[in-house]
Amino acid sequence: DTAVSQTPKYLVTQMGNDKSIKCEQNLGHDTMYWYKQDSKKFLKIMFSYNNKELIINETVPNRFSPKSPDKAHLNLHINSLELGDSAVYFCASRRTDSGTGYTFGSGTRLTVV
Amino acid sequence: KQEVTQIPAALSVPEGENLVLNCSFTDSAIYNLQWFRQDPGKGLTSLLLIQSSQREQTSGRLNASLDKSSGRSTLYIAASQPGDSATYLCAVPNTNAGKSTFGDGTTLTVKP
Repeated sequence: DTAVSQTPKYLVTQMGNDKSIKCEQNLGHDTMYWYKQDSKKFLKIMFSYNNKELIINETVPNRFSPKSPDKAHLNLHINSLELGDSAVYFCASRRTDSGTGYTFGSGTRLTVV
Repeated sequence: KQEVTQIPAALSVPEGENLVLNCSFTDSAIYNLQWFRQDPGKGLTSLLLIQSSQREQTSGRLNASLDKSSGRSTLYIAASQPGDSATYLCAVPNTNAGKSTFGDGTTLTVKP
């Protein structure tokens, strides 16, 4: 019954590898987001998709590529991982036509070694 | 560009105290404002959502107020408990479908 689910919860990988994080929401929301929370706990938006269309693309390295196969899924693929990519990545969703707030996933803790 | 500030950055109180957390924003043309709680190593849990047309929202011991004209929101926690210890964040959407700007949070410690 998890509303916004991310997998995996933990990811430890070596520099240079390519990895993906998956996100799915069963709330019927039309907009999904990826946020990055760094070691100082600051939460910054990376991408947002509305009905599968990219609407926000913050200044992130092009090694990060989001993919939204449908409204309920927003995956994040990262190429050539670097040490600085280590962080917690949160997926979130909301329904924009009803003024509802955000629902967040539990996060994916990525550690690049 | 919207800027969101939360003061104080950290707060430590004894159990049972009532307390207020502050969230200030620079652009008053907001759609709504949302308060979250984050426990260490966990995700964000939504506490309260205030629409721009509302002045306050209440849930249990929590009360959030919104004053758009002054660019402020407060989160009032009554009769604090050790289980309230967490980081509290406020988020302000810039547009309906757009991104939210998050404050950097207030880390609350309630001592037994």
